[in-house]
Amino acid sequence: DVKVTQSSRYLVKRTGEKVFLECVQDMDHENMFWYRQDPGLGLRLIYFSYDVKMKEKGDIPEGYSVSREKKERFSLILESASTNQTSMYLCASRDLRGRTLSGNTIYFGEGSWLTVV
Amino acid sequence: AQKITQTQPGMFVQEKEAVTLDCTYDTSDQSYGLFWYKQPSSGEMIFLIYQGSYDEQNATEGRYSLNFQKARKSANLVISASQLGDSAMYFCAMRDNGGATNKLIFGTGTLLAVQP
Repeated sequence: DVKVTQSSRYLVKRTGEKVFLECVQDMDHENMFWYRQDPGLGLRLIYFSYDVKMKEKGDIPEGYSVSREKKERFSLILESASTNQTSMYLCASRDLRGRTLSGNTIYFGEGSWLTVV
Repeated sequence: AQKITQTQPGMFVQEKEAVTLDCTYDTSDQSYGLFWYKQPSSGEMIFLIYQGSYDEQNATEGRYSLNFQKARKSANLVISASQLGDSAMYFCAMRDNGGATNKLIFGTGTLLAVQP
């Protein structure tokens, strides 16, 4: 089974701290994504990476950066955490080789609940 | 720009009845894919069903079916014979199929509560 693992399930950080959210997938997927999920707003795309060292901004990149040095790992970085970044963060990965097949080639992690105080 | 709209923030349904969750989308792409995901209270995203824009038949997966009306740009999810375990948040999502960098965008979700 494909596994997308987010290293931290629950975090509490102070305003101004630098925060790293790590995501690892074990199936050699090219595409990886970071979303945040907020009540009433659904999932909003922060950044995605279509290959190693490649990244593109999503819909809400402000206040975030990402790193993809190895294919299996996609890190989301909050340079200076703020209270409005309190949210649930979901990582996902996708197998490009399956893009013309049925859509269940996008896999999600279990989510990271971040509280910034 | 692509957009997904789910107009029902929450819904109730009686156990064993069918329920339809609405989803409309907006895209100028000719090739795209539509998804439904279920998110129970535990937080994981569970893939339910997929419809390609060129698929002529509506997708079905067990008790889930997707009512795809391309001209109206709607992709409603129908759950037949609801069960208590169907209580969850449901998200409609879309991606274009045009290239390697395509994104998956989501609607705001519908919270479904199945009543005994």
